[in-house]
Amino acid sequence: EPEVTQTPSHQVTQMGQEVILRCVPISNHLYFYWYRQILGQKVEFLVSFYNNEISEKSEIFDDQFSVERPDGSNFTLKIRSTKLEDSAMYFCASRWPDTEAFFGQGTRLTVV
Amino acid sequence: AQSVTQPDIHITVSEGASLELRCNYSYGATPYLFWYVQSPGQGLQLLLKYFSGDTLVQGIKGFEAEFKRGQSSFNLRKPSVHWSDAAEYFCAVVLNTGNQFYFGTGTSLTVIP
Repeated sequence: EPEVTQTPSHQVTQMGQEVILRCVPISNHLYFYWYRQILGQKVEFLVSFYNNEISEKSEIFDDQFSVERPDGSNFTLKIRSTKLEDSAMYFCASRWPDTEAFFGQGTRLTVV
Repeated sequence: AQSVTQPDIHITVSEGASLELRCNYSYGATPYLFWYVQSPGQGLQLLLKYFSGDTLVQGIKGFEAEFKRGQSSFNLRKPSVHWSDAAEYFCAVVLNTGNQFYFGTGTSLTVIP
């Protein structure tokens, strides 16, 4: 069964460093998403991506964040100059129009 | 403001008892509706979905949900809970005019023997 895969499963980084979280969505899907979940809190929308551009983004998704789909298969989230409060689980998801979203297992980011 | 509400932050039920988790939404039109489950340290797994048609939908693991348009609700039910059902449950909606998934705040389910 096709699935969304995310790497790494856990990343520890020092405050101020840049991190790139990687996702391989399901191959024929058209919509791609990043969500984050701070420990014990709700799942928060960050950004959606369609047709090689950002279609929606939340107020959380400020200039510190960027997304790319560099090669037609990977979908990356870059966080520049990480802050302690960026520590969270980050989920990638993809979907075909008018279907449910399929989520990856998440990347746990710890900023120290 | 448009929102998804899960009024119960935490529910505890005995194994074998019935379960109902509440979800309400506030959107002008009927959205697409979903329930996801998140086990500890895991990602989000789809339990069931509603797009149109029969308002009672069946999902995996013995779960079902009923869409009630008049109440703007999509409550999740299970007649007999198993210990392995202990997890976090999220209701989600996506507007059929857009593509962003909006999640509720989640309900944490504890199952006691």
